[in-house]
Amino acid sequence: QSVLTQPPSASGTPGQRVTISCSDGGSSIGSSSVHWYQHIPGTAPKLVIYTNDQRPSGVPDRFSGSRPGGSASLAISGLQSEDEADYYCAAWDDSLNGWVFGGGTKLTVL
Amino acid sequence: EVELLESGGTLVQPGGSLRLSCAASKFPFSNYALSWVRQVPGRALEWVSSVTASGRTTQYAASVKGRFTVSRDNSKDTMYLQMNPLRTDDTAVYYCVKHLYSGTYSGFHYWGQGTLVTVSP
Repeated sequence: QSVLTQPPSASGTPGQRVTISCSDGGSSIGSSSVHWYQHIPGTAPKLVIYTNDQRPSGVPDRFSGSRPGGSASLAISGLQSEDEADYYCAAWDDSLNGWVFGGGTKLTVL
Repeated sequence: EVELLESGGTLVQPGGSLRLSCAASKFPFSNYALSWVRQVPGRALEWVSSVTASGRTTQYAASVKGRFTVSRDNSKDTMYLQMNPLRTDDTAVYYCVKHLYSGTYSGFHYWGQGTLVTVSP
């Protein structure tokens, strides 16, 4: 069971905007930054958002992140077929003295 | 671009040992923290262990603490994961990951392609 809770699936049609939530469920990630990863099975995971809302160079500005309170969200606007992947949130947990991941959200582009 | 190449994954019996290696290139290796993250096929990513840029501080998930040892050789641009004794639930793809900065509290940045470890009788 993951410390961070994500919906198991999400979907949208090309051009739509989708959001994926990541809730800490009252765990002790506290004010830790949340990071988001895109993973296409069989390939290396890729960082798409770091420190809650920062976008690495090379990641399209269609990807955005927010961290209102205990939850975090990843938004993808102008959805494209290439966005179909598994998305994971991650954060440092002080009580575990380690990193925790969400259970992952499978995004399907219809 | 950053390159991280894992090696050492194979089939091993329960109770056995294995050492994974991660050879890095195209970035100043000794300036960045590194980690191992694993994934059982079809399941979520799971953090395994981290080491700071200097190698002086290491951290482990509860599931591997006391069985796995992470280390790095900054003269060889290589990180290692010594695993023993192995259990069947250690079966997974193991990814080598470079952090954003020198500390292990910074996010995971670049990931390798992974190496498969299978623990089975």
